[in-house]
Amino acid sequence: KAGVTQTPRYLIKTRGQQVTLSCSPISGHRSVSWYQQTPGQGLQFLFEYFSETQRNKGNFPGRFSGRQFSNSRSEMNVSTLELGDSALYLCASSLGTVNTEAFFGQGTRLTVV
Amino acid sequence: DAKTTQPPSMDCAEGRAANLPCNHSTISGNEYVYWYRQIHSQGPQYIIHGLKNNETNEMASLIITEDRKSSTLILPHATLRDTAVYYCIVSFNDMRFGAGTRLTVKP
Repeated sequence: KAGVTQTPRYLIKTRGQQVTLSCSPISGHRSVSWYQQTPGQGLQFLFEYFSETQRNKGNFPGRFSGRQFSNSRSEMNVSTLELGDSALYLCASSLGTVNTEAFFGQGTRLTVV
Repeated sequence: DAKTTQPPSMDCAEGRAANLPCNHSTISGNEYVYWYRQIHSQGPQYIIHGLKNNETNEMASLIITEDRKSSTLILPHATLRDTAVYYCIVSFNDMRFGAGTRLTVKP
């Protein structure tokens, strides 16, 4: 079956702009989590959506937001981009219950100039 | 914040077993131990997970101590393709990654 798909794979934006990233989970998975990965901070948890509701949230400013649709596809949005937002953004999908593993997409590499 | 402590780096000879330790002394009774690895900025790959019993699959074995305060991931016959950053995570329903262990398998 198809894996987790993230689009676009690469993106270049200018400071002050906003960006929307998309994640299509594995069929049947109801949970989507988002992570930001930078060389200095490693993999940091942004938020998790389960059945269209945000279930968990990391320690990021309100400029980072997300949503999940009824088909479990998820988007994350970053407004008023800063240079420090340059990172690899990863999403992971899972069944969303305990004792289940998560599967990651290949990520979207965002560069803010 | 991550609840685990791992050595920052380890080396292993090709063909030998790689034993990667993880400390999780504050683990709660309902939290599972998960292991993932990440190869050069690809998305992390699931390896194995367990609650309190030892687990084995086609990739690795997971040994969890009886008090559940630490665990060891074992790659029985490491190959060069196992060179990666390995993350140990304790989780109930959200996963917080630490810095992981950079494993280098050498010929």
